Amino acid sequence: ILNVEQSPQSLHVQEGDSTNFTCSFPSSNFYALHWYRWETAKSPEALFVMTLNGDEKKKGRISATLNTKEGYSYLYIKGSQPEDSATYLCASPHSGNTGKLIFGQGTTLQVKP
Amino acid sequence: DAGVTQSPTHLIKTRGQQVTLRCSPISGHKSVSWYQQVLGQGPQFIFQYYEKEERGRGNFPDRFSARQFPNYSSELNVNALLLGDSALYLCASSLGGSREGRNEQFFGPGTRLTVL
Repeated sequence: ILNVEQSPQSLHVQEGDSTNFTCSFPSSNFYALHWYRWETAKSPEALFVMTLNGDEKKKGRISATLNTKEGYSYLYIKGSQPEDSATYLCASPHSGNTGKLIFGQGTTLQVKP
Repeated sequence: DAGVTQSPTHLIKTRGQQVTLRCSPISGHKSVSWYQQVLGQGPQFIFQYYEKEERGRGNFPDRFSARQFPNYSSELNVNALLLGDSALYLCASSLGGSREGRNEQFFGPGTRLTVL
């Protein structure tokens, strides 16, 4: 059974702090790893789809790395801003050719001005 | 471009009733997936449809069913509602195809279902 875990469950930081959180997934039969940002009252928004070991992707102040051999991905936010406050979800497909994403429980980030 | 749309936004039903939720994908997307999200958990996969055929089903009872129409829109039906069906129901669309697991999924705003 594919199990995706995220830590920490929640995080409170001050504006300007850099932060990171973790997504763990089974390293066997890895196919892809998705990161989403979900702001309150909005739809989940895709940040990255990562597929290769050692992948590093960046979007503005947010970046992510992938280690498929040990089964983890890190999401980094540099210089957090209040607008970064959201729940960050990672997900892995159950198998390659389906859209069945198995989500972690999410990390809720609160950035205080 | 219009994103994924869902209707209704909110819904209140009583136990034992039936409900139909609707989703319109992004133009050009042929795959629609449904997820259930309860507070404190990540979305749980319910169904995926691609080209009007069921591609995947999650661990949900037979009270849950879905279909996809020729225009790729989709409906999720839940019969004999239970209190535990109260949740946010999300629809996501994607291009579909053989590398579906690597395709970005675009989510709608969800339908908030409350069962009393």
